[in-house]
Amino acid sequence: NAGVTQTPKFQVLKTGQSMTLQCAQDMNHEYMSWYRQDPGMGLRLIHYSVGAGITDQGEVPNGYNVSRSTTEDFPLRLLSAAPSQTSVYFCASSYPPMGGRGGELFFGEGSRLTVL
Amino acid sequence: AQSVTQLGSHVSVSEGALVLLRCNYSSSVPPYLFWYVQYPNQGLQLLLKYTSAATLVKGINGFEAEFKKSETSFHLTKPSAHMSDAAEYFCAVRARDDKIIFGKGTRLHILP
Repeated sequence: NAGVTQTPKFQVLKTGQSMTLQCAQDMNHEYMSWYRQDPGMGLRLIHYSVGAGITDQGEVPNGYNVSRSTTEDFPLRLLSAAPSQTSVYFCASSYPPMGGRGGELFFGEGSRLTVL
Repeated sequence: AQSVTQLGSHVSVSEGALVLLRCNYSSSVPPYLFWYVQYPNQGLQLLLKYTSAATLVKGINGFEAEFKKSETSFHLTKPSAHMSDAAEYFCAVRARDDKIIFGKGTRLHILP
C-alpha cells in the first residue's frame, strides 16, 4: 500500500508563478487535508475535505485553492506564488472518527516549496 | 472553534529522566486528541490517540498520555528518556466539525 503520496517533493518557484501540489491516497479515506509547516508555527490547516465534491477552509486558506473530484485525489493550487508561501506542505487523510477509532491523520512525506 | 496550546517550545531533559510535554485544548464538545512525533527531516508519526475509551492512553515507544476533562489537558509523559526520543512533538485536536488543529509543537532535547 502506498498510503498518501505527494508530488513533487521539492519545488522552486518565482513570485507570481502558479503550481499544483498533487496528493493521492489509496486507503479510501473520505477526509483529506492540507497543512503547511513553518518553524515555530506548528502545522496550520489550509483546506480540508470531508468527501468528494466537498471542501472547506482551514486556518490559513488565502492564496490557495483546492478541489475534490474523486475520493483519491486532493490537489492544492497556488494561484500566484508569494515568498510568504515558502514552506513545507503536508497532505493527510483519515477515516471518520467513529466506533472508537479516533480518526487520526495519515500523512504524506511532505513537499518543500521555495518561492523566490 | 477548537484550539491547542503546547506549553514550552523547547524542553530539555536528561537521559533517564521523566519526560513531560504539556498540551491544553479548547473544544466545545468532547474531542478526539492526538500526539504526533516528527524526527528531523521526516514526516509525522502517530504516537497515541484519545478516543474516549480510556482516559489513560498508552502509545508507542513507551509514551503515554492522560486525558483530564476538568483541566482540558492531554499531557504526554515517558518515565525514562532515551537519546532516540529527541524530536519535535505535536498535540492535535479533532472536534465535531472535522477540523484537525495542531499545536505549535515542542522540541524535546535529551541531555547525556
